[in-house]
Amino acid sequence: NAGVTQTPKFQVLKTGQSMTLQCAQDMNHEYMSWYRQDPGMGLRLIHYSVGAGITDQGEVPNGYNVSRSTTEDFPLRLLSAAPSQTSVYFCASSYSGTARLGYTFGSGTRLTVV
Amino acid sequence: AQTVTQSQPEMSVQEAETVTLSCTYDTSESDYYLFWYKQPPSRQMILVIRQEAYKQQNATENRFSVNFQKAAKSFSLKISDSQLGDAAMYFCAYRTGSSNTGKLIFGQGTTLQVKP
Repeated sequence: NAGVTQTPKFQVLKTGQSMTLQCAQDMNHEYMSWYRQDPGMGLRLIHYSVGAGITDQGEVPNGYNVSRSTTEDFPLRLLSAAPSQTSVYFCASSYSGTARLGYTFGSGTRLTVV
Repeated sequence: AQTVTQSQPEMSVQEAETVTLSCTYDTSESDYYLFWYKQPPSRQMILVIRQEAYKQQNATENRFSVNFQKAAKSFSLKISDSQLGDAAMYFCAYRTGSSNTGKLIFGQGTTLQVKP
């Protein structure tokens, strides 16, 4: 099925552990981005990419790394997890132009850091 | 920098009645896009409606319509004939039209309760 696939759906980490949240899309979307959702704060942009090999920081990038080696994949890496990174994470993708404006979101990853 | 504000953390409506969710935004741009997203308990983000800033006509999608006041920088969502399935968190979002980044800026969200 076409769409954005995020894995895992749930994860518990210990402080200091590292992990990678996976995001893949099969719609040939140029734009991909990662958001975190926290109560009362909406969704905040962590990192985004406008194409393979190009990434940039969003509003809350500290503690996260990204890379985009292919159009399809945009993994988010937590290098040393902290309790403040407990959140729900969403990956989203879209076309670059506005003629076919629309965003597709993954189903989210609920991450708990203890 | 652009900001989006939803000042109503929670709203409730009786089934079959009408409710309006508020959203204001701040921007110096003239070209942009506004969205309302629905997030049910399943966590999935679902596009409800979108509005292009250059269009004066308010967008409508079935029971959902917006009141877009560009000068006031207001973008409210009206849900008519509310149904139990409308219960969810609703997010207002902004996208610039002037740069190719694809970034969305979200409001804080409004939780809508629908009472039977």
